[in-house]
This record gives sequence, structure tokens and C-alpha cells, in this order.
Amino acid sequence: EVQMLESGGGLVQPGGSLRLSCAVSGFIFKNFAMSWVRQAPEKGLEWVSSIGGTNGDTYYADSVKGRFTISRDNSKNILYLEVNSLRAEDTAIYYCAKDQIPYNGRFDAFDIWGQGTMVTVSS
Amino acid sequence: DIQMTQSPSSLSASVGDKVTFTCRASQSISAYLNWYQQKPGKAPNLLIYSASSLQSGVPSRFSGSGSGTDFTLTINSLQPEDFATYYCQQTYSSPLTFGQGTKVEIK
Repeated sequence: EVQMLESGGGLVQPGGSLRLSCAVSGFIFKNFAMSWVRQAPEKGLEWVSSIGGTNGDTYYADSVKGRFTISRDNSKNILYLEVNSLRAEDTAIYYCAKDQIPYNGRFDAFDIWGQGTMVTVSS
Repeated sequence: DIQMTQSPSSLSASVGDKVTFTCRASQSISAYLNWYQQKPGKAPNLLIYSASSLQSGVPSRFSGSGSGTDFTLTINSLQPEDFATYYCQQTYSSPLTFGQGTKVEIK
């Protein structure tokens, strides 16, 4: 059974940092692209960042470029999102999501999602 | 960046109704279009991928169509568990943008 469990969220002051983690099991992690998607309270889904499989190509939304860093540890089956210089508008539930098919150079539909971890940016 | 526009933003319907809503891309995305369902307090769930392919385990009353810039999601015979918010997403190019969502409410 595929499982994905996010952690690392919390309350942080503006300008602060956090490292979000997504521990996965039940599939060959290194073969699949992974993504982070966030959802502000009462708002829609916003794609944040994606990372390829073994080659680790990374992509970011303009709203987080230069502040957030996506990475992965294929030996530990963990996806990370380092979030720095946090702003109030970064307050959201952060979901990790798995691509449906093994990475072939382009991203695919997200077939498995974690339960989300809440990040609250407030003084 | 490719903008995704969904319409309507919300709709009211009754159990048993057939409902259709649309998603329009600001440029051609071929068939790189996915649909997700999200219920309150839950993570999104993939319904349709590649514009018209039904995800495993999703009831056959859901169907998708379209290519290029215009896409539709249809629910035949709406069920109580289908009241939710539906999002389209393009995976043609980064950023992998979502539409703003269509909320389906009980009439």
C-alpha cells in the first residue's frame, strides 16, 4: 500500500524558516517525480514545486522561487521542502503528491497525495 | 505561464442530475489535463488524467473530454458523495497550474 506522510509544519514568525518532510513507502520512490502543492485557508490549490526522479530536475512557482528549495533523499524515501523567508501569504496546508507514472522527463497527474501539513506564518 | 480558468465557480444541483463544467487553458496544452475532486478537510483525489482517462477506482459516471484549450468534466447522475470542489490542472509545462475550482453544492 502506498503511504505518504508529511511533517514539519507549524507556527513560524514572518521571515522564519521550516523544513517540511514527506516520508513515503509502497513504491519505488526514486523512479517517480514528486511535488508540493499548497492550499491557503478557504482557497484553491496552488502548485509550489516539483522534482524529477533520479536526475532531480527542480521547478518552482514564481511565488516561491528563491525562497523555497525542494529536494529528495532517494536512499531514505523522503521528499523535502525547505521554506525560508516566510510571509503571511505562505500560510497554507502543504501537500506532497506523487506522479502517476515513472518520470520520463515530463510531469504527470498526481495520483497519490499525503494528508498535508499546516504552515502558519504569523507574529 | 499557462492560465487555467474554470467555469462556473459554483453550481447547485440535485441528486440524479447530469452536471458539466469546463476548464479553459490560455494556450494549447494538448491533452495534458487532469481533474481532481476535493472534499472539505481532505486531500484532493485524482479523477481523470490525460483529459479523458478514468483513474482506477473512480466511478464510471465521471467522464472527461477535450483537447487543446477547452475541456469538460461531466458527472452523470450526481450522487450525494459527489458534492465537492473540482479542480483542473495542466501538466503540459511548468508551472503546473490549477484552475480556481468549481464547487458543486446541493440544491
